[in-house]
Amino acid sequence: EPEVTQTPSHQVTQMGQEVILRCVPISNHLYFYWYRQILGQKVEFLVSFYNNEISEKSEIFDDQFSVERPDGSNFTLKIRSTKLEDSAMYFCASSPRGQGTYEQYFGPGTRLTVT
Amino acid sequence: GIQVEQSPPDLILQEGANSTLRCNFSDSVNNLQWFHQNPWGQLINLFYIPSGTKQNGRLSATTVATERYSLLYISSSQTTDSGVYFCAGANPMDSSYKLIFGSGTRLLVRP
Repeated sequence: EPEVTQTPSHQVTQMGQEVILRCVPISNHLYFYWYRQILGQKVEFLVSFYNNEISEKSEIFDDQFSVERPDGSNFTLKIRSTKLEDSAMYFCASSPRGQGTYEQYFGPGTRLTVT
Repeated sequence: GIQVEQSPPDLILQEGANSTLRCNFSDSVNNLQWFHQNPWGQLINLFYIPSGTKQNGRLSATTVATERYSLLYISSSQTTDSGVYFCAGANPMDSSYKLIFGSGTRLLVRP
């Protein structure tokens, strides 16, 4: 069964450094999402992406964040200058939408630790 | 925006017991999904259930969309069922169909 993959599974970085989190969505899906979960808290929406552009972003998704689909298969989340409060689990999700279902399929997550 | 409330927040069961987890929504949702977060932090998709009832082994879920709630049933619980259970829904008026998550039910199944 196709699945969403994410790399790396765990990344440790120093405050102020740039990080890129990578996701490979399911191949025939058209809608892509990033969510994050700070330890012990609920999962929060960051951004949705469709047709090579952002369709919606949350208040969390400020100028330090960007997303890209560079090659038609990968979907990346970049944090330009990480802060301690960016430490969280980041989940990528994809959805076929409009093909009889609106289900979102989640990747295993990347645990980001900012020191 | 939509508010998602899950109950109970914490639940301790003896192995073999049955349980029901509830998810209430403040407004109509579609795209309703249940997840199990395992000890490694992964979100395991349990059900996509915008309405009706589905069963998968010892787990089943029912969504009553007109009354804005969903239930997750766990029968004959096992220690491996421990973890956090999240429900999430999307506002049908929201073009992005982003999921809004509840705060979760933390389940501990004791041997």
